[in-house]
Amino acid sequence: RKEVEQDPGPFNVPEGATVAFNCTYSNSASQSFFWYRQDCRKEPKLLMSVYSSGNEDGRFTAQLNRASQYISLLIRDSKLSDSATYLCVVAPSGTYKYIFGTGTRLKVLA
Amino acid sequence: DTAVSQTPKYLVTQMGNDKSIKCEQNLGHDTMYWYKQDSKKFLKIMFSYNNKELIINETVPNRFSPKSPDKAHLNLHINSLELGDSAVYFCASSHTLGGNTEAFFGQGTRLTVV
Repeated sequence: RKEVEQDPGPFNVPEGATVAFNCTYSNSASQSFFWYRQDCRKEPKLLMSVYSSGNEDGRFTAQLNRASQYISLLIRDSKLSDSATYLCVVAPSGTYKYIFGTGTRLKVLA
Repeated sequence: DTAVSQTPKYLVTQMGNDKSIKCEQNLGHDTMYWYKQDSKKFLKIMFSYNNKELIINETVPNRFSPKSPDKAHLNLHINSLELGDSAVYFCASSHTLGGNTEAFFGQGTRLTVV
């Protein structure tokens, strides 16, 4: 079983739609969680950190469910510019590394 | 003002050659990493360093040798390049060891071995 699993997609959605991605992780000792965004041929960039209480940044909402070991990202009112690959990232306690999921591709269509 | 910069951006070389990739961060971070992104776009940790000390070597062949002259620099030297080494290599840094804070990535070095 992969340490961090994501549906690779692609998710093709029309502009203005709401889309949600889930990610599951296997190491229950994981302590930090992030969503990164990677555009084609670019480096990953932090979209948002994921806190136990959940967090929201504009159109983006992230949730953490420790009991079920999954993280979610909700994007409301999708824009064309949201088209990218969204990477779920987990940092297990004591491992000194960031573990990436394979990413979920999102295409927002006009 | 680039936070994590790596050079070169593109590298095309023949099998058997030796090449280096340089990385520098100006964020004052203690921890630096090398990641490899393969053709399937999967990002995998190779090495992590904290204050110039090797912390993780994720079963990388010993043809790959990282060097950290100071905590702002982490270079990657690759000996006897093989076709399978073709990938994008990303350098990253974070404030502390352990993943409590986000990691910042360089632009990547696209290595093609022919």
